[in-house]
Amino acid sequence: AQSVTQLDSQVPVFEEAPVELRCNYSSSVSVYLFWYVQYPNQGLQLLLKYLSGSTLVKGINGFEAEFNKSQTSFHLRKPSVHISDTAEYFCAVSRVGYSTLTFGKGTMLLVSP
Amino acid sequence: GAVVSQHPSRVICKSGTSVKIECRSLDFQATTMFWYRQFPKQSLMLMATSNEGSKATYEQGVEKDKFLINHASLTLSTLTVTSAHPEDSSFYICSARDHGEEGGELFFGEGSRLTVL
Repeated sequence: AQSVTQLDSQVPVFEEAPVELRCNYSSSVSVYLFWYVQYPNQGLQLLLKYLSGSTLVKGINGFEAEFNKSQTSFHLRKPSVHISDTAEYFCAVSRVGYSTLTFGKGTMLLVSP
Repeated sequence: GAVVSQHPSRVICKSGTSVKIECRSLDFQATTMFWYRQFPKQSLMLMATSNEGSKATYEQGVEKDKFLINHASLTLSTLTVTSAHPEDSSFYICSARDHGEEGGELFFGEGSRLTVL
């Protein structure tokens, strides 16, 4: 089975500052990794995904994440955040070839002026 | 990109009634759809996997008779909460996999907020 840990339940940051949202996973098999964003009362939108290849993955809205196999991490970063980035961010993992996702508990990113 | 639509987005019902939530894949065929439940400020919990033309596979602890899932076509899955009670109030989200999409990516609906009075 896979598991995902998002240690930070909430990350406050000022507008235009850089941010890193942490994600660690546990799995005995190869995995795919995902980051999703959820705005209030909405479904999830895919930010980016790692399937294979380059460990640095670029996504939408200026976000990127780096897969680190030795540290079993997939941290999400953005060099300069906007107010509109305020949302809940979920890290998720699935076994290679499977659709079922296991989600972390989410990190609320709060961007203030 | 692929779009998944849920309806209704919000529903309020009285205790004891049944509520049906629809999940449609709008521009692709989804042989498999997934139903999640999300409690306030918590993560998504997979309830069941819905397979077109066959019975749904429920996760441990999810009552099959309470949450009826029907996947009658390649573009529609429904979740019926039967004899709803206040503790069933939650945010229900469906997702679907584009069968031609590598990587297990799921496309999510907008979610349906159920409030049982």
